[in-house]
Amino acid sequence: AQKVTQAQTEISVVEKEDVTLDCVYETRDTTYYLFWYKQPPSGELVFLIRRNSFDEQNEISGRYSWNFQKSTSSFNFTITASQVVDSAVYFCALSEAGTASKLTFGTGTRLQVTL
Amino acid sequence: DAGVIQSPRHEVTEMGQEVTLRCKPISGHDYLFWYRQTMMRGLELLIYFNNNVPIDDSGMPEDRFSAKMPNASFSTLKIQPSEPRDSAVYFCASSLWTGGGTGELFFGEGSRLTVL
Repeated sequence: AQKVTQAQTEISVVEKEDVTLDCVYETRDTTYYLFWYKQPPSGELVFLIRRNSFDEQNEISGRYSWNFQKSTSSFNFTITASQVVDSAVYFCALSEAGTASKLTFGTGTRLQVTL
Repeated sequence: DAGVIQSPRHEVTEMGQEVTLRCKPISGHDYLFWYRQTMMRGLELLIYFNNNVPIDDSGMPEDRFSAKMPNASFSTLKIQPSEPRDSAVYFCASSLWTGGGTGELFFGEGSRLTVL
């Protein structure tokens, strides 16, 4: 069975600090997809990134970057120079091939960025 | 383009009452998902449809829950009778299969249900 673990329940940082959110996953499949979603205080879930298991290249999008390491089954998310608007709950999720977007979510990490 | 639209945004009802949550997926999307979010259990997949056909309802907690998708632009999640432990935020999401693997899920804003 697939499983996603986000061990960090809550993180607090001061604005402009860098912060890394950890995600560890378990799956028996060789083909799978990993996602990060953001849930701001308003409650909606916002897609951030999708990565398939064959693409281990790290990705950078502005202040956001993702580090995918199959050897450790991790897909960590780093925010550089955090801002107050980054305050949200961040979810990591996994989908196995053939399950067409059937995502298993981690429990989420609440990030609080203060001035 | 309109996103996934859910209604009602908030519902407060009394135990034993029937609750119907509604969802309009993004036009052209062929998958629709119902998720439930609670503090205790996080985000749980309840059921999903492909081309209006239910594919996997293993996450539906019990017979009190039912979901339908009569056409490509509408789905309902019904709870009858409702119980206080059903209080949660219910999300509808849709996606499009592009042949390139699992696609991005687009979520609605959620329906917050409180059962007294």
